[in-house]
Amino acid sequence: DIQLTQSPSSLSASVGDRVTITCRTSESINGLLNWLQQKPREAPKLLIYAASSLHSGVPSRFSGSGSGTEFTLTISSLQPEDFATYFCQQTYTSPAMTFGQGTRLET
Amino acid sequence: QLQLQESGPGRAKSSETLSLTCAVSGGSISTSRFYWVWIRQSPGKGLEWIGSLYYSGTTYYNPSLKNRVTISVDSSKNQFSLTVKSVTVADTAVYFCASPSDSGGYFFDDWGQGTLVTVSS
Repeated sequence: DIQLTQSPSSLSASVGDRVTITCRTSESINGLLNWLQQKPREAPKLLIYAASSLHSGVPSRFSGSGSGTEFTLTISSLQPEDFATYFCQQTYTSPAMTFGQGTRLET
Repeated sequence: QLQLQESGPGRAKSSETLSLTCAVSGGSISTSRFYWVWIRQSPGKGLEWIGSLYYSGTTYYNPSLKNRVTISVDSSKNQFSLTVKSVTVADTAVYFCASPSDSGGYFFDDWGQGTLVTVSS
C-alpha cells in the first residue's frame, strides 16, 4: 500500500491568511495526487487533480504543486467558507486508492 | 450531470450482513464511467477505500476488508451495491459511493451524499 502522510493534522488560521498543507507519499505516484475539501455532514469535493490542475468551478485562491513524493495545497487568502477538512488522495494505483489522514483547518 | 444516491438500513447489529445500494442517475452505469467505488468514513476519522467495480463485473477490494465485502452491479436498475458480512462496531461509518469522471479513472468529482450506518453490539 502507498501511505499518505499529511501535515499538519490541524491548523489554526484567520481570514486573509496564506495556508499551506503538505502531503507526503511513501513512494512516487507519477503526479496522480488529488486534493479534496470536506465540510461537516457533506461529501468530499474535488479541488485539485493531478497535483496542480484546478477543478472546474474551484476558486483560483486554491493551488496545488509538487512531484515525486511531496505535494502541497496552498490557499492564498483564506475565506470564511474555506474552514473545512482537507484530504489528499492518490490514484496512481487506480482502481485502488489511498487517502491522507486529513488536515482540519479552523479559525 | 451524473448523480449518485446511497441507501441503506441505517442500523445493523454485530455479526449481521450489511447491504447498501448506490443508485446512479443522469447516465448509464454500463457506459458513463470507467468504474464505480465505495469509500467509508468512520466517525471523526479519515476516508477509507473499500473497493472498486468495473461494469464488466471485475472487482478490486481493500485487502483489509477483502474477506468480508462484495461489490456487485445491477444494470437493469442502474445501480451497484456493497455487502459487508459479519459486521462489528468498527464498521460504523458514513458510506459513500463515487466515480471518477475522467477516462483514466483518476479524478473523483462525483460523490453521493453518504449514508450513515451504525452497528451496535
